[in-house]
Amino acid sequence: DIQLTQSPSFLSASVGDRVTITCRASQGISNHLAWFQQEPGKAPNLLIYAASTLQSGVPSRFSGSGSGTEFTLTISSLRPEDFATYYCQHLNSYPITFGQGTRLEIK
Amino acid sequence: QVRLVESGGGVVQPGRSLRLSCVASGFTFSSYVMHWVRQAPGKGLEWVAFISYDGGIKYHADSVKGRFTVSRDNSKTTLFLQMNSLRAEDTAMYYCAKGGGRPLGDAFDIWGQGTMVSVSS
Repeated sequence: DIQLTQSPSFLSASVGDRVTITCRASQGISNHLAWFQQEPGKAPNLLIYAASTLQSGVPSRFSGSGSGTEFTLTISSLRPEDFATYYCQHLNSYPITFGQGTRLEIK
Repeated sequence: QVRLVESGGGVVQPGRSLRLSCVASGFTFSSYVMHWVRQAPGKGLEWVAFISYDGGIKYHADSVKGRFTVSRDNSKTTLFLQMNSLRAEDTAMYYCAKGGGRPLGDAFDIWGQGTMVSVSS
Protein backbone atom coordinates (compact mmCIF):
# COMPACT_ATOMS: atom_id res chain seq x y z
CA ASP A 1 0.00 0.00 0.00
CA ILE A 2 1.09 3.56 -0.68
CA GLN A 3 1.60 5.60 2.47
CA LEU A 4 1.15 9.38 2.52
CA THR A 5 2.91 11.45 5.16
CA GLN A 6 1.85 15.05 5.69
CA SER A 7 3.94 17.69 7.41
CA PRO A 8 3.42 19.44 9.61
CA SER A 9 0.58 17.69 11.47
CA PHE A 10 -0.27 20.96 13.20
CA LEU A 11 0.26 24.51 11.98
CA SER A 12 -0.43 27.77 13.78
CA ALA A 13 -0.61 30.86 11.58
CA SER A 14 -2.18 34.31 11.31
CA VAL A 15 -4.63 35.84 8.87
CA GLY A 16 -2.67 37.05 5.85
CA ASP A 17 0.15 34.53 6.27
CA ARG A 18 1.40 32.30 3.45
CA VAL A 19 1.44 28.64 4.48
CA THR A 20 2.64 25.45 2.83
CA ILE A 21 1.71 21.87 3.66
CA THR A 22 3.79 18.98 2.33
CA CYS A 23 2.61 15.48 1.41
CA ARG A 24 5.15 12.74 0.72
CA ALA A 25 4.25 9.43 -0.89
CA SER A 26 6.04 6.18 -0.09
CA GLN A 27 6.40 5.51 -3.82
CA GLY A 28 5.91 7.44 -7.02
CA ILE A 29 2.30 8.32 -7.85
CA SER A 30 2.83 10.64 -10.85
CA ASN A 31 0.29 13.45 -10.38
CA HIS A 32 -2.49 11.27 -8.96
CA LEU A 33 -2.98 13.38 -5.86
CA ALA A 34 -5.84 15.43 -4.46
CA TRP A 35 -6.16 17.88 -1.57
CA PHE A 36 -9.20 18.34 0.66
CA GLN A 37 -10.26 20.85 3.28
CA GLN A 38 -12.43 19.69 6.17
CA GLU A 39 -14.12 21.99 8.64
CA PRO A 40 -15.29 20.57 11.99
CA GLY A 41 -18.52 18.60 11.67
CA LYS A 42 -18.55 18.81 7.87
CA ALA A 43 -17.67 16.55 4.97
CA PRO A 44 -14.35 17.05 3.17
CA ASN A 45 -14.31 19.52 0.30
CA LEU A 46 -12.16 18.98 -2.81
CA LEU A 47 -9.64 21.79 -3.35
CA ILE A 48 -7.06 20.47 -5.82
CA TYR A 49 -6.96 17.45 -8.14
CA ALA A 50 -4.27 16.02 -10.38
CA ALA A 51 -1.75 17.58 -7.95
CA SER A 52 -2.09 21.14 -9.27
CA THR A 53 -5.52 21.76 -10.81
CA LEU A 54 -7.86 23.99 -8.82
CA GLN A 55 -11.36 22.58 -8.42
CA SER A 56 -14.13 24.80 -9.75
CA GLY A 57 -15.25 27.38 -7.20
CA VAL A 58 -12.14 27.13 -5.01
CA PRO A 59 -10.43 30.49 -4.38
CA SER A 60 -7.24 31.15 -6.30
CA ARG A 61 -5.25 31.68 -3.08
CA PHE A 62 -5.07 27.86 -2.96
CA SER A 63 -2.49 26.17 -5.17
CA GLY A 64 -0.91 22.75 -5.47
CA SER A 65 2.31 21.48 -6.96
CA GLY A 66 4.48 18.40 -7.18
CA SER A 67 4.82 15.09 -8.92
CA GLY A 68 6.20 11.68 -8.11
CA THR A 69 6.62 11.50 -4.35
CA GLU A 70 6.56 15.07 -3.08
CA PHE A 71 3.63 17.45 -3.20
CA THR A 72 2.68 20.77 -1.64
CA LEU A 73 -0.48 22.71 -0.93
CA THR A 74 0.02 26.44 -0.55
CA ILE A 75 -2.41 29.05 0.72
CA SER A 76 -1.04 32.40 -0.39
CA SER A 77 -2.79 34.67 2.11
CA LEU A 78 -4.80 33.07 4.91
CA ARG A 79 -8.36 34.12 5.49
CA PRO A 80 -10.39 33.31 8.64
CA GLU A 81 -12.43 30.66 6.80
CA ASP A 82 -9.24 28.73 5.89
CA PHE A 83 -8.60 27.54 9.44
CA ALA A 84 -9.51 23.86 9.11
CA THR A 85 -7.90 20.46 8.61
CA TYR A 86 -6.31 19.57 5.27
CA TYR A 87 -5.79 16.10 3.82
CA CYS A 88 -3.91 14.80 0.82
CA GLN A 89 -5.14 11.66 -0.96
CA HIS A 90 -3.57 9.50 -3.65
CA LEU A 91 -5.58 7.97 -6.48
CA ASN A 92 -2.75 6.03 -8.10
CA SER A 93 -3.95 2.54 -7.22
CA TYR A 94 -6.10 0.63 -4.76
CA PRO A 95 -6.20 0.89 -1.84
CA ILE A 96 -6.62 4.64 -1.97
CA THR A 97 -5.10 6.27 1.10
CA PHE A 98 -5.15 9.67 2.79
CA GLY A 99 -2.48 11.54 4.65
CA GLN A 100 -2.96 11.83 8.39
CA GLY A 101 -4.11 15.45 8.11
CA THR A 102 -2.75 18.90 8.91
CA ARG A 103 -4.69 20.97 11.39
CA LEU A 104 -4.36 24.69 10.64
CA GLU A 105 -5.20 26.93 13.58
CA ILE A 106 -5.24 30.65 14.20
CA LYS A 107 -2.20 31.97 16.04
CA GLN B 1 -28.16 20.50 -7.58
CA VAL B 2 -25.73 17.60 -7.23
CA ARG B 3 -26.41 15.90 -3.93
CA LEU B 4 -25.63 12.76 -1.97
CA VAL B 5 -27.66 11.84 1.11
CA GLU B 6 -26.61 8.98 3.38
CA SER B 7 -28.82 7.12 5.83
CA GLY B 8 -28.94 3.91 7.83
CA GLY B 9 -26.45 4.66 10.58
CA GLY B 10 -27.13 4.06 14.24
CA VAL B 11 -26.00 2.26 17.38
CA VAL B 12 -25.44 -1.47 16.97
CA GLN B 13 -23.94 -4.24 19.09
CA PRO B 14 -20.65 -5.91 18.12
CA GLY B 15 -21.19 -8.79 15.71
CA ARG B 16 -24.43 -7.39 14.30
CA SER B 17 -25.13 -5.98 10.84
CA LEU B 18 -26.13 -2.64 9.37
CA ARG B 19 -26.88 -1.45 5.83
CA LEU B 20 -26.05 2.08 4.79
CA SER B 21 -27.67 3.82 1.83
CA CYS B 22 -26.64 6.85 -0.19
CA VAL B 23 -29.19 8.43 -2.52
CA ALA B 24 -27.80 10.49 -5.38
CA SER B 25 -29.48 13.31 -7.28
CA GLY B 26 -28.58 16.02 -9.75
CA PHE B 27 -26.25 13.96 -11.93
CA THR B 28 -26.30 10.82 -14.06
CA PHE B 29 -25.56 8.32 -11.28
CA SER B 30 -24.93 5.39 -13.61
CA SER B 31 -22.05 7.25 -15.31
CA TYR B 32 -19.85 7.61 -12.25
CA VAL B 33 -17.90 5.38 -9.91
CA MET B 34 -18.70 5.72 -6.23
CA HIS B 35 -16.83 5.31 -2.96
CA TRP B 36 -17.38 4.96 0.77
CA VAL B 37 -15.01 6.74 3.15
CA ARG B 38 -15.14 6.70 6.94
CA GLN B 39 -13.79 8.83 9.75
CA ALA B 40 -13.53 7.61 13.33
CA PRO B 41 -14.24 10.25 16.00
CA GLY B 42 -11.33 12.69 16.16
CA LYS B 43 -9.36 10.75 13.55
CA GLY B 44 -8.46 11.06 9.88
CA LEU B 45 -10.12 9.83 6.70
CA GLU B 46 -10.05 6.16 5.68
CA TRP B 47 -11.15 4.93 2.26
CA VAL B 48 -13.47 1.92 2.65
CA ALA B 49 -14.82 0.78 -0.71
CA PHE B 50 -15.08 1.48 -4.47
CA ILE B 51 -17.65 0.37 -7.01
CA SER B 52 -17.56 0.86 -10.77
CA TYR B 53 -20.29 2.42 -12.91
CA ASP B 54 -22.21 -0.77 -13.41
CA GLY B 55 -21.23 -2.51 -10.19
CA GLY B 56 -19.07 -5.01 -12.00
CA ILE B 57 -15.84 -4.03 -10.24
CA LYS B 58 -15.53 -3.62 -6.50
CA TYR B 59 -12.63 -2.99 -4.14
CA HIS B 60 -12.66 -2.99 -0.36
CA ALA B 61 -10.09 -1.89 2.20
CA ASP B 62 -8.29 -4.74 3.96
CA SER B 63 -9.77 -3.57 7.27
CA VAL B 64 -13.31 -4.42 6.04
CA LYS B 65 -12.68 -7.11 3.45
CA GLY B 66 -14.91 -10.12 3.98
CA ARG B 67 -17.24 -8.19 6.30
CA PHE B 68 -18.44 -5.19 4.24
CA THR B 69 -19.85 -5.25 0.72
CA VAL B 70 -20.50 -2.27 -1.54
CA SER B 71 -23.29 -2.39 -4.10
CA ARG B 72 -25.44 -0.04 -6.15
CA ASP B 73 -28.87 0.15 -7.79
CA ASN B 74 -28.60 2.51 -10.75
CA SER B 75 -32.35 2.39 -11.36
CA LYS B 76 -32.83 3.93 -7.90
CA THR B 77 -29.64 6.07 -8.00
CA THR B 78 -28.63 4.52 -4.71
CA LEU B 79 -25.32 3.27 -3.31
CA PHE B 80 -25.22 0.75 -0.46
CA LEU B 81 -22.76 -0.54 2.09
CA GLN B 82 -23.69 -3.81 3.77
CA MET B 83 -21.75 -4.08 7.01
CA ASN B 84 -21.62 -7.46 8.76
CA SER B 85 -19.76 -8.68 11.84
CA LEU B 86 -19.36 -5.13 13.09
CA ARG B 87 -16.57 -4.32 15.52
CA ALA B 88 -15.94 -1.45 17.91
CA GLU B 89 -13.24 -0.16 15.56
CA ASP B 90 -15.87 0.31 12.82
CA THR B 91 -17.34 3.18 14.83
CA ALA B 92 -17.14 6.18 12.52
CA MET B 93 -18.91 8.71 10.35
CA TYR B 94 -19.47 7.06 6.98
CA TYR B 95 -19.46 9.25 3.87
CA CYS B 96 -20.36 8.32 0.32
CA ALA B 97 -18.43 10.16 -2.37
CA LYS B 98 -18.71 10.50 -6.13
CA GLY B 99 -15.74 9.88 -8.36
CA GLY B 100 -15.15 12.87 -10.59
CA GLY B 101 -14.13 10.85 -13.61
CA ARG B 102 -11.05 11.17 -15.83
CA PRO B 103 -11.35 15.00 -16.23
CA LEU B 104 -10.81 15.34 -12.47
CA GLY B 105 -8.20 12.64 -12.19
CA ASP B 106 -10.86 10.47 -10.56
CA ALA B 107 -10.87 12.77 -7.52
CA PHE B 108 -13.80 12.59 -5.11
CA ASP B 109 -15.66 15.75 -6.11
CA ILE B 110 -18.98 15.40 -4.26
CA TRP B 111 -19.50 14.08 -0.73
CA GLY B 112 -22.59 13.39 1.32
CA GLN B 113 -23.09 14.79 4.82
CA GLY B 114 -22.32 11.44 6.41
CA THR B 115 -24.14 8.92 8.59
CA MET B 116 -22.80 7.91 12.01
CA VAL B 117 -22.27 4.28 12.98
CA SER B 118 -21.54 3.42 16.61
CA VAL B 119 -20.67 -0.15 17.54
CA SER B 120 -21.05 -0.72 21.25
CA SER B 121 -22.43 -3.28 23.68
